[in-house]
Amino acid sequence: DAGVIQSPRHEVTEMGQEVTLRCKPISGHDYLFWYRQTMMRGLELLIYFNNNVPIDDSGMPEDRFSAKMPNASFSTLKIQPSEPRDSAVYFCASSFFAPATGELFFGEGSRLTVL
Amino acid sequence: GENVEQHPSTLSVQEGDSAVIKCTYSDSASNYFPWYKQELGKGPQLIIDIRSNVGEKKDQRIAVTLNKTAKHFSLHITETQPEDSAVYFCAANIGGSQGNLIFGKGTKLSVKP
Repeated sequence: DAGVIQSPRHEVTEMGQEVTLRCKPISGHDYLFWYRQTMMRGLELLIYFNNNVPIDDSGMPEDRFSAKMPNASFSTLKIQPSEPRDSAVYFCASSFFAPATGELFFGEGSRLTVL
Repeated sequence: GENVEQHPSTLSVQEGDSAVIKCTYSDSASNYFPWYKQELGKGPQLIIDIRSNVGEKKDQRIAVTLNKTAKHFSLHITETQPEDSAVYFCAANIGGSQGNLIFGKGTKLSVKP
């Protein structure tokens, strides 16, 4: 398997623009997670899905952020409108195990810069 | 709120020396403690994990110890090599098996040849 695939790897945009990050999880993994990594706050869980259904979105910072998983092989994280404080590396991860019980497989991340 | 503290934030060792990274957690219900390694430009990758029913686990040059009474766990890397240079994250499942993984802030390890 190719692992978790994220796109784009790098995104530079201007404040107010819409940003869409994409993720393809490992086939057979029932859980998909979106994390945000910053120097100040480290790795933070934004939302996770089980069998394409959002289970816990308590980490989503505000209404500007939304995530969808229309099928088992694709998920998006959207920020609209984007702000400079959204600049971070966004990771998608997938797992065969329920959260907090087994290995997470991370993608290589999408580095977002909002000017 | 519940959290995971990790120390030190940076660690520099000479090749061949040992490196130790320590973490403490606050939730007594936590029972799963993984360690992830993140190389530059990559996503974190699991290197070892331990569950609360054991006190120590080894895998070649890496080992993890767990003290549930004191709520701390540590990563030990022996005979360090330059390729061990990376950022290491500890984590704990705050809220137990029904909770979520909370990550420490990371330790940047540099191994000097």
